[in-house]
Amino acid sequence: AQRVTQPEKLLSVFKGAPVELKCNYSYSGSPELFWYVQYSRQRLQLLLRHISRESIKGFTADLNKGETSFHLKKPFAQEEDSAMYYCALKPPGFGNEKLTFGTGTRLTIIP
Amino acid sequence: NAGVTQTPKFQVLKTGQSMTLQCAQDMNHNSMYWYRQDPGMGLRLIYYSASEGTTDKGEVPNGYNVSRLNKREFSLRLESAAPSQTSVYFCASSQGDGHHYGYTFGSGTRLTVV
Repeated sequence: AQRVTQPEKLLSVFKGAPVELKCNYSYSGSPELFWYVQYSRQRLQLLLRHISRESIKGFTADLNKGETSFHLKKPFAQEEDSAMYYCALKPPGFGNEKLTFGTGTRLTIIP
Repeated sequence: NAGVTQTPKFQVLKTGQSMTLQCAQDMNHNSMYWYRQDPGMGLRLIYYSASEGTTDKGEVPNGYNVSRLNKREFSLRLESAAPSQTSVYFCASSQGDGHHYGYTFGSGTRLTVV
């Protein structure tokens, strides 16, 4: 069975410090990984897809198949990064778009 | 530019009452989903509909039923509400054509069962 683990429920970081939100997954195959974010009083929204290899709002995430991890990183935290972050997994290929989410990490940026 | 619309936003039910949560999307997406969000549990899939006319159980379907009324609408029904169903419910949609660009979420329904 597929599983997504986010070991930190809460994470506090000072403004300007580096941020790393951890995500580990278990899946026998090559899944697609995503990061979703929920800012205060806003909807959940897609932040990153590993397939795109993009940087959004200064965040990057690299899929490490050996360690089955997809950690989210940002070199310099900003106050507006305070939010709830969810890592999510989708089985590969067409025909199955169900996402399995982790339990989430609430990130607080300290001014 | 509504995206995914959920109603109601808030609801308080007594144990044993029934209600239907409504969800509609205007993006011509094929697939729709219902998740519940609980502290420390993340988002858990209740039911999903890969395409119009089909529905399937997710991780936590007990106590719920769904209807994919048409391509736009996907409703979630609680037949006899229980306090364990107190949660925030999110509807989401995706293209469902094999090109996954992520989910579009609704704003959520905060349900309290007393």
